[in-house]
Amino acid sequence: QSVVTQPPSASGTPGQRVTISCSGGTSNIGSSSVHWYQQFPGTAPKLLIYSNDQRPSGVPDRFSGSKSGTSASLAISGLQSEDEADYYCATWDDSLNGWVFGGGTKLTVL
Amino acid sequence: EVQLVESGGGLVQPGGSLRLSCAASGFTFSHYDMHWVRQAPGKGLEWVSAIGTSGDTYYSGSVKGRFAISRDTAKDSLYLQMDSLRADDTAVYYCARENWGSSYYFDYWGQGALVTVSS
Repeated sequence: QSVVTQPPSASGTPGQRVTISCSGGTSNIGSSSVHWYQQFPGTAPKLLIYSNDQRPSGVPDRFSGSKSGTSASLAISGLQSEDEADYYCATWDDSLNGWVFGGGTKLTVL
Repeated sequence: EVQLVESGGGLVQPGGSLRLSCAASGFTFSHYDMHWVRQAPGKGLEWVSAIGTSGDTYYSGSVKGRFAISRDTAKDSLYLQMDSLRADDTAVYYCARENWGSSYYFDYWGQGALVTVSS
């Protein structure tokens, strides 16, 4: 069980806006930045959002991130079929003195 | 272009050892902290270990005392020596580069190396 929790699944129809939550505590999200990764089956994770709300070059602005207190969220607007993937949040944990990942959310585009 | 290429994965018996390598290119390897992250079949991501630019090392509780991370800046390579392997170490192992801006994060990942621990 990860100390940072995500819903195991999320879904939406093309064009919709979906959000994926990432909930933690004061030793992790509450005191460190949150980053998001996108992973397609059989491939390596790809950086999607860093430092809570920053998009790397090449990531569409349909993807956005936010953080408040001990929770963070990833929002995807204008959902597309190619967004169907697994999404992970990650942050540093001061108590564990290591990095922690959320359990991952499988996004299905209906 | 930043590239990270893992090698050394394979099948090993419980209690055995294996050494993973990660060849880096396209950036100044010595300037970056590097990490290993693993993913068991059908499961999520788990941070394993990190090494700083000065050689300082960090481990998750699940591998501390059994795994050893190292780096060779002359060869632009990262390593993970895995001893006393157990069935629950079976996973794809990714090397990842740590970058920094307003915070630290993993910006590039290798394609992964599969380690299977089974008799």
